[in-house]
Amino acid sequence: QQQVKQSPQSLIVQKGGIPIINCAYENTAFDYFPWYQQFPGKGPALLIAIRPDVSEKKEGRFTISFNKSAKQFSLHIMDSQPGDSATYFCAASSSGGGADGLTFGKGTHLIIQP
Amino acid sequence: DAGVTQSPTHLIKTRGQQVTLRCSPKSGHDTVSWYQQALGQGPQFIFQYYEEEERQRGNFPDRFSGHQFPNYSSELNVNALLLGDSALYLCASSLTYEVNEKLFFGSGTQLSVL
Repeated sequence: QQQVKQSPQSLIVQKGGIPIINCAYENTAFDYFPWYQQFPGKGPALLIAIRPDVSEKKEGRFTISFNKSAKQFSLHIMDSQPGDSATYFCAASSSGGGADGLTFGKGTHLIIQP
Repeated sequence: DAGVTQSPTHLIKTRGQQVTLRCSPKSGHDTVSWYQQALGQGPQFIFQYYEEEERQRGNFPDRFSGHQFPNYSSELNVNALLLGDSALYLCASSLTYEVNEKLFFGSGTQLSVL
């Protein structure tokens, strides 16, 4: 049972373009939605996160858009750079009833071409 | 600040053997979570330790067990290894009141089961 569906699986964008990665969730108890960036040989690192009480959050070149009614959220990377080439994971968790860990999507392998 | 450190970085075992992986959390963190990341997949939550007790557990069999020590470091033990246990095992630490929100991951232990 995959509770967080992520697309696309891979993405190639020219430098300066805006890659968009989408995620959809099923569990309406989820109330915390982070995005993680992972480079080869490293663990995931938190990029940005959002809660359902806002529809958009921006931190530097990274923006999350959140649609609660559609149960979807997406990551936009503005002015993308070759150094942004990595695997990106969306995730979700619920704060009520204890800590059940993060539920991750399958990841998007992003390549930014110079 | 050394961040989250894991040892060993790589490990090769044979089916049926037992393995112990180790994790030291980021300085000041008191909660440790373990995740399994299969090749090409997102991390999957195994379990979480706080105050030396397992607080939450994901969908993993009892062959997977853990321990947390008074200094907050943790071990993950896997018994009766199967080929399917081959994966990157990630340790993540956090403060208990931010348990899923500001997770810091280590670089992981790559386990290969032959």
